[in-house]
Amino acid sequence: KAGVTQTPRYLIKTRGQQVTLSCSPISGHRSVSWYQQTPGQGLQFLFEYFSETQRNKGNFPGRFSGRQFSNSRSEMNVSTLELGDSALYLCASSSGTTNEQYFGPGTRLTVT
Amino acid sequence: AQSVTQLGSHVSVSEGALVLLRCNYSSSVPPYLFWYVQYPNQGLQLLLKYTSAATLVKGINGFEAEFKKSETSFHLTKPSAHMSDAAEYFCAVSEGRTGNQFYFGTGTSLTVIP
Repeated sequence: KAGVTQTPRYLIKTRGQQVTLSCSPISGHRSVSWYQQTPGQGLQFLFEYFSETQRNKGNFPGRFSGRQFSNSRSEMNVSTLELGDSALYLCASSSGTTNEQYFGPGTRLTVT
Repeated sequence: AQSVTQLGSHVSVSEGALVLLRCNYSSSVPPYLFWYVQYPNQGLQLLLKYTSAATLVKGINGFEAEFKKSETSFHLTKPSAHMSDAAEYFCAVSEGRTGNQFYFGTGTSLTVIP
Protein backbone atom coordinates (compact mmCIF):
# COMPACT_ATOMS: atom_id res chain seq x y z
CA LYS A 1 0.00 0.00 0.00
CA ALA A 2 1.17 3.50 -0.73
CA GLY A 3 1.79 5.64 2.31
CA VAL A 4 0.41 9.02 3.22
CA THR A 5 1.32 11.69 0.71
CA GLN A 6 1.40 15.42 1.28
CA THR A 7 1.75 18.17 -1.26
CA PRO A 8 3.56 20.39 -1.62
CA ARG A 9 6.58 19.40 0.45
CA TYR A 10 7.88 22.94 0.74
CA LEU A 11 6.13 26.27 0.52
CA ILE A 12 7.15 29.88 1.00
CA LYS A 13 4.45 32.49 1.53
CA THR A 14 4.25 36.11 2.57
CA ARG A 15 2.45 37.45 5.62
CA GLY A 16 -1.20 38.07 4.93
CA GLN A 17 -1.48 35.48 2.18
CA GLN A 18 -3.40 32.27 2.46
CA VAL A 19 -2.24 28.73 1.79
CA THR A 20 -3.80 25.34 1.09
CA LEU A 21 -2.06 22.09 1.92
CA SER A 22 -3.15 18.68 0.67
CA CYS A 23 -3.05 15.22 2.16
CA SER A 24 -3.90 11.88 0.59
CA PRO A 25 -4.36 9.12 3.18
CA ILE A 26 -3.54 5.46 2.89
CA SER A 27 -6.02 3.69 0.66
CA GLY A 28 -9.04 2.58 2.67
CA HIS A 29 -8.37 4.96 5.57
CA ARG A 30 -11.23 7.30 6.37
CA SER A 31 -9.67 9.47 9.07
CA VAL A 32 -7.20 12.28 8.47
CA SER A 33 -5.66 14.34 11.25
CA TRP A 34 -3.50 17.42 10.96
CA TYR A 35 -0.71 18.52 13.27
CA GLN A 36 1.53 21.56 13.45
CA GLN A 37 5.13 21.01 14.49
CA THR A 38 7.32 23.91 15.61
CA PRO A 39 10.54 23.99 17.65
CA GLY A 40 8.88 26.07 20.35
CA GLN A 41 5.49 24.38 20.70
CA GLY A 42 6.29 20.88 19.53
CA LEU A 43 3.55 18.80 17.93
CA GLN A 44 0.09 20.25 18.29
CA PHE A 45 -3.17 18.77 17.09
CA LEU A 46 -5.14 20.91 14.66
CA PHE A 47 -8.16 18.83 13.70
CA GLU A 48 -9.38 15.43 12.56
CA TYR A 49 -11.74 14.59 9.75
CA PHE A 50 -13.63 11.34 9.42
CA SER A 51 -15.99 10.58 6.55
CA GLU A 52 -15.98 14.25 5.46
CA THR A 53 -16.92 15.51 8.94
CA GLN A 54 -14.73 17.24 11.46
CA ARG A 55 -14.63 14.85 14.42
CA ASN A 56 -12.12 16.56 16.71
CA LYS A 57 -10.64 20.02 16.87
CA GLY A 58 -7.60 21.41 18.64
CA ASN A 59 -7.08 24.85 20.08
CA PHE A 60 -6.16 26.89 17.02
CA PRO A 61 -7.70 30.13 15.73
CA GLY A 62 -10.34 30.12 13.05
CA ARG A 63 -7.74 31.06 10.43
CA PHE A 64 -6.95 27.36 10.36
CA SER A 65 -9.59 25.31 8.62
CA GLY A 66 -9.87 22.03 6.82
CA ARG A 67 -12.09 19.79 4.84
CA GLN A 68 -12.26 16.25 3.61
CA PHE A 69 -13.52 14.97 0.33
CA SER A 70 -15.51 11.86 -0.48
CA ASN A 71 -12.31 10.04 -1.49
CA SER A 72 -10.89 10.81 2.01
CA ARG A 73 -8.31 13.27 0.69
CA SER A 74 -8.06 16.26 2.95
CA GLU A 75 -7.01 19.85 2.60
CA MET A 76 -5.95 22.31 5.24
CA ASN A 77 -6.21 26.04 4.71
CA VAL A 78 -4.57 28.84 6.62
CA SER A 79 -5.74 32.36 5.91
CA THR A 80 -4.05 35.67 6.71
CA LEU A 81 -0.70 34.03 7.34
CA GLU A 82 1.44 35.19 10.23
CA LEU A 83 5.16 34.69 10.79
CA GLY A 84 4.32 32.32 13.63
CA ASP A 85 2.56 29.97 11.23
CA SER A 86 5.93 28.87 9.88
CA ALA A 87 6.05 25.20 10.75
CA LEU A 88 6.06 21.64 9.53
CA TYR A 89 2.47 20.56 8.95
CA LEU A 90 1.94 16.86 9.32
CA CYS A 91 -0.98 14.83 8.16
CA ALA A 92 -1.83 11.48 9.74
CA SER A 93 -4.02 8.77 8.32
CA SER A 94 -6.04 6.23 10.26
CA SER A 95 -8.68 3.65 9.46
CA GLY A 96 -11.05 5.53 11.72
CA THR A 97 -11.92 2.47 13.77
CA THR A 98 -8.60 2.37 15.59
CA ASN A 99 -6.36 5.18 16.74
CA GLU A 100 -3.20 3.90 15.08
CA GLN A 101 -2.01 6.79 12.95
CA TYR A 102 0.39 6.83 10.04
CA PHE A 103 2.10 10.09 9.23
CA GLY A 104 3.03 11.69 5.96
CA PRO A 105 6.39 13.42 5.34
CA GLY A 106 4.91 16.84 6.06
CA THR A 107 4.73 20.19 4.33
CA ARG A 108 7.33 22.73 5.42
CA LEU A 109 5.68 26.17 5.37
CA THR A 110 7.81 29.26 5.66
CA VAL A 111 6.10 32.64 6.10
CA THR A 112 8.20 35.71 5.35
CA ALA B 1 -7.04 16.39 30.49
CA GLN B 2 -4.24 14.40 29.00
CA SER B 3 -0.58 15.24 28.79
CA VAL B 4 2.78 13.63 28.21
CA THR B 5 6.12 14.49 29.77
CA GLN B 6 9.36 13.31 28.26
CA LEU B 7 12.25 13.70 30.65
CA GLY B 8 15.45 14.70 28.91
CA SER B 9 15.25 16.61 25.66
CA HIS B 10 18.65 15.22 24.66
CA VAL B 11 20.07 11.78 25.40
CA SER B 12 23.47 10.50 24.30
CA VAL B 13 24.52 6.88 24.41
CA SER B 14 27.46 4.94 23.09
CA GLU B 15 26.95 2.48 20.27
CA GLY B 16 26.01 -0.86 21.80
CA ALA B 17 24.81 0.66 25.07
CA LEU B 18 21.31 0.52 26.50
CA VAL B 19 18.85 3.12 25.26
CA LEU B 20 16.32 4.42 27.79
CA LEU B 21 13.93 7.22 26.85
CA ARG B 22 11.48 8.28 29.52
CA CYS B 23 7.81 9.08 29.15
CA ASN B 24 5.24 9.84 31.83
CA TYR B 25 1.61 10.48 31.05
CA SER B 26 -1.42 11.98 32.65
CA SER B 27 -4.81 10.68 31.67
CA SER B 28 -8.25 10.62 33.22
CA VAL B 29 -9.17 7.48 31.32
CA PRO B 30 -7.26 4.30 30.48
CA PRO B 31 -4.72 5.58 28.00
CA TYR B 32 -3.58 4.44 24.63
CA LEU B 33 0.13 5.16 24.42
CA PHE B 34 2.45 5.39 21.46
CA TRP B 35 6.10 5.94 20.62
CA TYR B 36 7.05 7.51 17.32
CA VAL B 37 10.44 8.21 15.75
CA GLN B 38 11.23 11.10 13.43
CA TYR B 39 14.28 11.27 11.22
CA PRO B 40 15.42 14.63 9.81
CA ASN B 41 13.07 16.08 7.22
CA GLN B 42 10.66 13.19 7.55
CA GLY B 43 7.32 12.49 9.13
CA LEU B 44 6.73 10.34 12.20
CA GLN B 45 7.08 6.57 12.09
CA LEU B 46 5.19 4.41 14.56
CA LEU B 47 7.57 2.38 16.75
CA LEU B 48 5.05 0.71 19.04
CA LYS B 49 1.75 1.18 20.82
CA TYR B 50 0.12 0.15 24.09
CA THR B 51 -3.55 -0.71 23.95
CA SER B 52 -4.01 -2.61 27.25
CA ALA B 53 -3.43 -6.07 25.79
CA ALA B 54 -0.02 -6.50 27.41
CA THR B 55 2.10 -4.27 29.60
CA LEU B 56 5.34 -5.06 27.76
CA VAL B 57 5.08 -3.98 24.16
CA LYS B 58 7.56 -4.91 21.48
CA GLY B 59 8.00 -2.66 18.49
CA ILE B 60 10.10 -2.35 15.40
CA ASN B 61 13.89 -2.07 15.22
CA GLY B 62 14.38 -3.85 18.54
CA PHE B 63 12.58 -1.26 20.67
CA GLU B 64 10.19 -2.11 23.45
CA ALA B 65 8.27 -0.24 26.12
CA GLU B 66 6.69 -1.20 29.40
CA PHE B 67 3.44 0.27 30.66
CA LYS B 68 3.50 0.86 34.42
CA LYS B 69 0.19 2.15 35.66
CA SER B 70 1.41 2.75 39.22
CA GLU B 71 4.16 5.02 37.90
CA THR B 72 2.09 6.41 34.97
CA SER B 73 5.09 5.66 32.79
CA PHE B 74 5.74 4.20 29.37
CA HIS B 75 9.51 4.25 28.97
CA LEU B 76 11.13 3.18 25.71
CA THR B 77 14.16 0.90 25.75
CA LYS B 78 16.52 -0.86 23.41
CA PRO B 79 19.25 -3.19 24.68
CA SER B 80 21.93 -2.13 22.21
CA ALA B 81 22.03 1.20 20.38
CA HIS B 82 22.92 1.41 16.72
CA MET B 83 24.12 4.46 14.84
CA SER B 84 20.91 4.34 12.80
CA ASP B 85 18.86 4.92 15.99
CA ALA B 86 19.94 8.56 16.11
CA ALA B 87 16.70 10.50 15.69
CA GLU B 88 13.97 12.37 17.55
CA TYR B 89 11.59 10.24 19.60
CA PHE B 90 8.09 11.25 20.61
CA CYS B 91 5.74 9.72 23.15
CA ALA B 92 2.03 10.29 22.61
CA VAL B 93 -1.23 9.55 24.41
CA SER B 94 -4.70 9.18 22.97
CA GLU B 95 -7.90 9.18 24.94
CA GLY B 96 -9.90 6.56 23.12
CA ARG B 97 -9.74 3.65 20.76
CA THR B 98 -11.06 5.73 17.91
CA GLY B 99 -10.32 9.26 19.06
CA ASN B 100 -7.43 10.46 17.01
CA GLN B 101 -6.52 13.53 19.02
CA PHE B 102 -3.01 12.71 20.11
CA TYR B 103 -1.15 14.61 22.79
CA PHE B 104 2.57 14.50 22.15
CA GLY B 105 5.52 14.98 24.43
CA THR B 106 8.15 17.53 23.53
CA GLY B 107 10.44 14.88 22.13
CA THR B 108 13.83 13.43 22.98
CA SER B 109 16.73 13.75 20.60
CA LEU B 110 18.87 10.62 20.72
CA THR B 111 22.54 10.83 19.77
CA VAL B 112 24.54 7.64 19.34
CA ILE B 113 28.27 7.99 19.85
CA PRO B 114 30.48 5.63 17.87
